[in-house]
Amino acid sequence: DSGVTQTPKHLITATGQRVTLRCSPRSGDLSVYWYQQSLDQGLQFLIQYYNGEERAKGNILERFSAQQFPDLHSELNLSSLELGDSALYFCASSVGADSGNTIYFGEGSWLTVV
Amino acid sequence: GNSVTQMEGPVTLSEEAFLTINCTYTATGYPSLFWYVQYPGEGLQLLLKATKADDKGSNKGFEATYRKETTSFHLEKGSVQVSDSAVYFCALRPQGAQKLVFGQGTRLTINP
Repeated sequence: DSGVTQTPKHLITATGQRVTLRCSPRSGDLSVYWYQQSLDQGLQFLIQYYNGEERAKGNILERFSAQQFPDLHSELNLSSLELGDSALYFCASSVGADSGNTIYFGEGSWLTVV
Repeated sequence: GNSVTQMEGPVTLSEEAFLTINCTYTATGYPSLFWYVQYPGEGLQLLLKATKADDKGSNKGFEATYRKETTSFHLEKGSVQVSDSAVYFCALRPQGAQKLVFGQGTRLTINP
């Protein structure tokens, strides 16, 4: 158990809908990351937050957005869903935002768009 | 840019066999290198890491050495077990950055 908690574990929704994935980082971790794992794209970095502020952005679509709240939990919002958004979405956390910190992953949220 | 190339899978071995999963990378500067493992139905777990050239990361019998001259970080284990069946991901973290760049993953199956 990494200490990173993600909900829901599984989600099935229809095209065009909007979903929210939630992540609680490990106790004491200030940095949160979101990754997408899909069959065709592999594991891709989406976005990073540190202590409530956006720190780095990767291949995140404009239909997707994220935020980190004062209690440090994070949410990833996916809207106007398409079939190709079906994937495993990982949240990860680390103590700080520097490259010396180990990144710990949650178990992921499986999203299926039908 | 930064990229990681892993050995094509899937890989199937018998228990107690020697394992090598090749990983090479492209990066500027001095990245940190990692192996993560994903067991069936679970999330990604950090297996081992190395943060500078010639460092050897090790954990649970697995080892990998950071070779800057060959830009490689091959994963090895002397005697695999059925419980090692999983998907293994090689990853790098570019110097000064926090995000991880992953390889495509290698599915390993160990037969008794």
